[in-house]
Amino acid sequence: TQLLEQSPQFLSIQEGENLTVYCNSSSVFSSLQWYRQEPGEGPVLLVTVVTGGEVKKLKRLTFQFGDARKDSSLHITAAQPGDTGLYLCAGARDTGRRALTFGSGTRLQVQP
Amino acid sequence: DAGITQSPRHKVTETGTPVTLRCHQTENHRYMYWYRQDPGHGLRLIHYSYGVKDTDKGEVSDGYSVSRSKTEDFLLTLESATSSQTSVYFCAISDPNLAGLAYEQYFGPGTRLTVT
Repeated sequence: TQLLEQSPQFLSIQEGENLTVYCNSSSVFSSLQWYRQEPGEGPVLLVTVVTGGEVKKLKRLTFQFGDARKDSSLHITAAQPGDTGLYLCAGARDTGRRALTFGSGTRLQVQP
Repeated sequence: DAGITQSPRHKVTETGTPVTLRCHQTENHRYMYWYRQDPGHGLRLIHYSYGVKDTDKGEVSDGYSVSRSKTEDFLLTLESATSSQTSVYFCAISDPNLAGLAYEQYFGPGTRLTVT
């Protein structure tokens, strides 16, 4: 059972289009992170959100943490081929273990 | 760059043989993690360490053991490799002193392991 569900699993779009990736759970998280991973490399941290309702922007990427801290979304405006990659959400819970639970990922392909 | 290296980067081994993967960090970060990544499963935690000789199991720890005798090295051992352990293995670090949030993790480049 996946604690964090990401959707869609795959997304292929044209350059210039907008897209949204969702990360949903029935559990409450103390913080949630988004990573991007390119082939042959490890995930790279994009952003951390910690407050319910929080919105963070990173250039053309907008991240939102749900009010109840159970879900998050990543919106990309005017996607570019350089946005291609695997996007992973990861949640932290205050269990004392200091470990993250990862979603299964969304693979994005942006065609020029 | 959190100064994380993994070795080897690629390995092919036979079923039943022991395998040890090494994660090395250069900046004295306290928390270290081992994950495996398989299609459709994202990253799954195998074991983690919160200090020298302090380790704990993750969600997929069966068939794996770890050791951390020095701050800088975290070893993952497959005592008797099986085909189901074919995967890409990632090491990560976390440090409360990095950006002030203990849960942010920084990953190594990965080790691709094939068990035939």
